[in-house]
Amino acid sequence: SAVISQKPSRDICQRGTSLTIQCQVDSQVTMMFWYRQQPGQSLTLIATANQGSEATYESGFVIDKFPISRPNLTFSTLTVSNMSPEDSSIYLCSAEVLGPGFYTFGSGTRLTVV
Amino acid sequence: GQQLNQSPQSMFIQEGEDVSMNCTSSSIFNTWLWYKQEPGEGPVLLIALYKAGELTSNGRLTAQFGITRKDSFLNISASIPSDVGIYFCAGRGNYGQNFVFGPGTRLSVLP
Repeated sequence: SAVISQKPSRDICQRGTSLTIQCQVDSQVTMMFWYRQQPGQSLTLIATANQGSEATYESGFVIDKFPISRPNLTFSTLTVSNMSPEDSSIYLCSAEVLGPGFYTFGSGTRLTVV
Repeated sequence: GQQLNQSPQSMFIQEGEDVSMNCTSSSIFNTWLWYKQEPGEGPVLLIALYKAGELTSNGRLTAQFGITRKDSFLNISASIPSDVGIYFCAGRGNYGQNFVFGPGTRLSVLP
């Protein structure tokens, strides 16, 4: 079955720095999705990334803070820029790898900003 | 915007008991998904529903797409300790729209 891999699985970062999270899918997908899950909360969509075009951001999220790359149909990165403690969350990538409507998630990146 | 509510917010049950939880929407959905998330992991898709009234099983799990298209239900029969986790529902109106996630139901199973 298709797998989504994320790196790193966790990190502790200093405020003011940036972290880039990688997401690799083992089959080609049109869209990849980046979510944030704050402690004890549900999942909030940050942006949708299509290959070859700029990502589409949800309300409350901006490209300067969360730049996204999508260089090909199996890979995407999310950067959390100029981090503050409020950015401490789990960041998850997702894709419809098993077909339309079947959202599969990576195991997430647990980010702590100190 | 669209919102989902899940009930109950949390539940503690004895091993062997059956579990019922539900998800309600303020608007009509055409797809419902149920996920389970364990600590330190991403959500894992359990069941997908595409048609009003649809009843789908996955082992001891059964989910139903409500006939009003504004709700969905998940039942777990004969619970076991590994059922512990947070169960999320997700729904969307039309294909191409993004999924909306509920706040989750936290399940604890007591031995």
